Amino acid sequence: ELKVEQNPLFLSMQEGKNYTIYCNYSTTSDRLYWYRQDPGKSLESLFVLLSNGAVKQEGRLMASLDTKARLSTLHITAAVHDLSATYFCAVDRAGSQGNLIFGKGTKLSVKP
Amino acid sequence: DAGVIQSPRHEVTEMGQEVTLRCKPISGHNSLFWYRQTMMRGLELLIYFNNNVPIDDSGMPEDRFSAKMPNASFSTLKIQPSEPRDSAVYFCASSFVRGYTFGSGTRLTVV
Repeated sequence: ELKVEQNPLFLSMQEGKNYTIYCNYSTTSDRLYWYRQDPGKSLESLFVLLSNGAVKQEGRLMASLDTKARLSTLHITAAVHDLSATYFCAVDRAGSQGNLIFGKGTKLSVKP
Repeated sequence: DAGVIQSPRHEVTEMGQEVTLRCKPISGHNSLFWYRQTMMRGLELLIYFNNNVPIDDSGMPEDRFSAKMPNASFSTLKIQPSEPRDSAVYFCASSFVRGYTFGSGTRLTVV
């Protein structure tokens, strides 16, 4: 069974600080997704990581993937209040269509 | 593109009533997924379709839940009879070549 674990589940940061969210998954996968969800809203796609060593950056967020360690990270640089949201990682099994399995999410709160 | 369209946005119903949630996927997407989100269980995949055919319904909680996709542009998720523990946000997503787009969700409250 494919399991996806995120940590931390809650993160309170001060503006300007850096932090990393971790996502571990239990079985082989060749695609890892990061989504953002604002309260009461849908899921917004942030990154799709396709291969070992992949790194993608958008603004203050940078995501990376290590398929050998079955680990992805989402690094936040110099956090600002607008980044406050819940961040989910999700994985689908290699060779499959569907069965996108989500982690529990990390609720990020950035305080002035 | 209007994205994945779900209706209604909010639904409040009494226990025992039938509830039907609707989804229109993005044109050209060949896969459709229904997810449920709750505080306790997070995001759970209920069922997904490829080319209108149900592929995996192992996430459907029980026989009270059913889903159909009569054509490429429409899907329904039905709960009959509804129970308070079905209260959740239900998301529909569509996909083409494993790029997933989510709808705005339906917030269901069963009282």
